[in-house]
Amino acid sequence: DAGVIQSPRHEVTEMGQEVTLRCKPISGHNSLFWYRQTMMRGLELLIYFNNNVPIDDSGMPEDRFSAKMPNASFSTLKIQPSEPRDSAVYFCASSLWGVYNEQFFGPGTRLTVL
Amino acid sequence: KNQVEQSPQSLIILEGKNCTLQCNYTVSPFSNLRWYKQDTGRGPVSLTIMTFSENTKSNGRYTATLDADTKQSSLHITASQLSDSASYICVVSPKEANYGGSQGNLIFGKGTKLSVKP
Repeated sequence: DAGVIQSPRHEVTEMGQEVTLRCKPISGHNSLFWYRQTMMRGLELLIYFNNNVPIDDSGMPEDRFSAKMPNASFSTLKIQPSEPRDSAVYFCASSLWGVYNEQFFGPGTRLTVL
Repeated sequence: KNQVEQSPQSLIILEGKNCTLQCNYTVSPFSNLRWYKQDTGRGPVSLTIMTFSENTKSNGRYTATLDADTKQSSLHITASQLSDSASYICVVSPKEANYGGSQGNLIFGKGTKLSVKP
């Protein structure tokens, strides 16, 4: 298995632009998670899906952030408009089911907003 | 407020030496506690996971201990190797009363950055 796949690996954009991060979970996993990691705050859970349905989005910082999972093999995290404080590494992870099973992380997308 | 505190923030040791990383938490009740290893530029990888009834769990040279009474966990690394250089993150899962919702959120520590020098 290729593991969790994320794209792009690096993204540099200017303030105000729309940014879309993509994730392909491990085949057969029913839960998908989006995280943000910064030096100041560490890892933070933004949102997670079970069977493509958003279960908890309480970690999404603002309305500028949105996430979708149109099918079991694809999810997007969109930031519109982006701001410099959104600069971080964004990880996608998947698990067989739910928050408590072992989560397998992707390599992350390093986002820089100028 | 549910919190996970890790110490030290960073640590430098010589190759071959042992070290112990600490994790104190206030999450109660909790379901399980995990230790992740995160290499630079990569996503975290699970090392161990323990339920509240387990005291110790090993994974090769990594041994995690848990004291649910004092709400403390430690990760002991034996005979360190250069490849152990990474950040180690402690994560606690609150015991959820209802499926889903914010009660299902994981509580992450900020990690300990370990550097193993030759």
